[in-house]
Amino acid sequence: SQQGEEDPQALSIQEGENATMNCSYKTSINNLQWYRQNSGRGLVHLILIRSNEREKHSGRLRVTLDTSKKSSSLLITASRAADTASYFCATLRDQGAQKLVFGQGTRLTINP
Amino acid sequence: SAVISQKPSRDICQRGTSLTIQCQVDSQVTMMFWYRQQPGQSLTLIATANQGSEATYESGFVIDKFPISRPNLTFSTLTVSNMSPEDSSIYLCSVERGAGNEQFFGPGTRLTVL
Repeated sequence: SQQGEEDPQALSIQEGENATMNCSYKTSINNLQWYRQNSGRGLVHLILIRSNEREKHSGRLRVTLDTSKKSSSLLITASRAADTASYFCATLRDQGAQKLVFGQGTRLTINP
Repeated sequence: SAVISQKPSRDICQRGTSLTIQCQVDSQVTMMFWYRQQPGQSLTLIATANQGSEATYESGFVIDKFPISRPNLTFSTLTVSNMSPEDSSIYLCSVERGAGNEQFFGPGTRLTVL
C-alpha cells in the first residue's frame, strides 16, 4: 500500500514562478527521496533527505523535512517549461524491509 | 548514480503470452528491485531480487505470475506470464547505491497487452 500522500495532485503555474509540492507519510522513516518522471519514462532521482536533516538544496531545488509532522516539501524555484513532469516522493522506513514506498505523485505543468 | 538499462523499452503483446524484461546495471549491486506503474498511477514494488537467493515478493504479487531471475550481481530479468490487458503497465527496475540508500531507476519497459 502507498504510504505517502502528495498534494496537490496537479499543479499548473507560469514559467518563472516557484512550485511547491508536499508529501506526507505515516510511519517513521530512514530517509525520503524525491523523483521526477517525464511522460511515463523512467524516474530521475532528484534528492535524498535523511531523517536527521531538515533541509537540503540542489540547484533550483529545495527540500524540507519535518519528521514531527511526517511531511516533506519540494520547492522548485524559477520554474522552466522543462520542469513539466510528475514528481514523486518515496520513503524508506527505518525498520523492517528496506524498500521504498511511493506517494501518489504531483503532476506539474509549467506554462510558457 | 547508476547506469541502468532495460530491454525492451516497449512492447505490444497478445493476451495469454509472456514477456521477459531484462535489466542491466553498470556495476555490481546487492539488491535489485522491480516495480510496476499502472496507467496514471504511482509505483508499486513487485519484488526484491538478491543474487543467489529467491526473490522476495510483495503482497499481491506471486512468483508464478512474475518469475524473476538474478543470475549475477549486474543483471536481472522479470517475466510477466500469461498476460492480460490488466498487466498493461510500465515495469521498472531499480538498484540501491551509495551510503544513503539512494535508489536509481532504469528507463522502464512500457507494456501493452491486447
